[in-house]
Amino acid sequence: DGGITQSPKYLFRKEGQNVTLSCEQNLNHDAMYWYRQDPGQGLRLIYYSQIVNDFQKGDIAEGYSVSREKKESFPLTVTSAQKNPTAFYLCASSIAKSYNEQFFGPGTRLTVL
Amino acid sequence: QKEVEQNSGPLSVPEGAIASLNCTYSDRGSQSFFWYRQYSGKSPELIMSIYSNGDKEDGRFTAQLNKASQYVSLLIRDSQPSDSATYLCAVNGDNTNAGKSTFGDGTTLTVKP
Repeated sequence: DGGITQSPKYLFRKEGQNVTLSCEQNLNHDAMYWYRQDPGQGLRLIYYSQIVNDFQKGDIAEGYSVSREKKESFPLTVTSAQKNPTAFYLCASSIAKSYNEQFFGPGTRLTVL
Repeated sequence: QKEVEQNSGPLSVPEGAIASLNCTYSDRGSQSFFWYRQYSGKSPELIMSIYSNGDKEDGRFTAQLNKASQYVSLLIRDSQPSDSATYLCAVNGDNTNAGKSTFGDGTTLTVKP
């Protein structure tokens, strides 16, 4: 089955900890994205990558970091510098930059204890 | 002013009625427009994409685009209780920023049996 997987589904972080969220796709998509969603709000772009070994900051990149070493994988690290990380994190991918129909993974719900 | 604005909702319609969801955007150079459906606690699912002025129909869904008015809408005919969800409008950037989508905050639709 082709698709996007995210793990873990639920994640709990202590104050001062860095955590890494996994995102893997087997759709052979070039572009991948990370979004954050807070209750009752839309999606806000954290980082996106159009090609391996390259990525761009989105609207709310502070306190987050990413890597794109493989086409299939785009992990997101939430660092201790992110002061309010509790949110629903969504990873997406798309086949081509110009059309940008995005397909989403199931999401990771992060809670700070 | 937000880049992508949607009716704040919630919107409630009786089963079998037409639901009309609206979205306006500020970037006149926008190229691609999308509607996603998001059930509570789940990730967004692409339901419609539209790239040129006019109407695009897919089953019970019709997307309408008017670039001159910077307006895109989604009509759901013969609404069913299973259509109850939050609908997100997304707008893709102009040619210099085509890899980046901006999402509205969503409109929550409830279809009452």
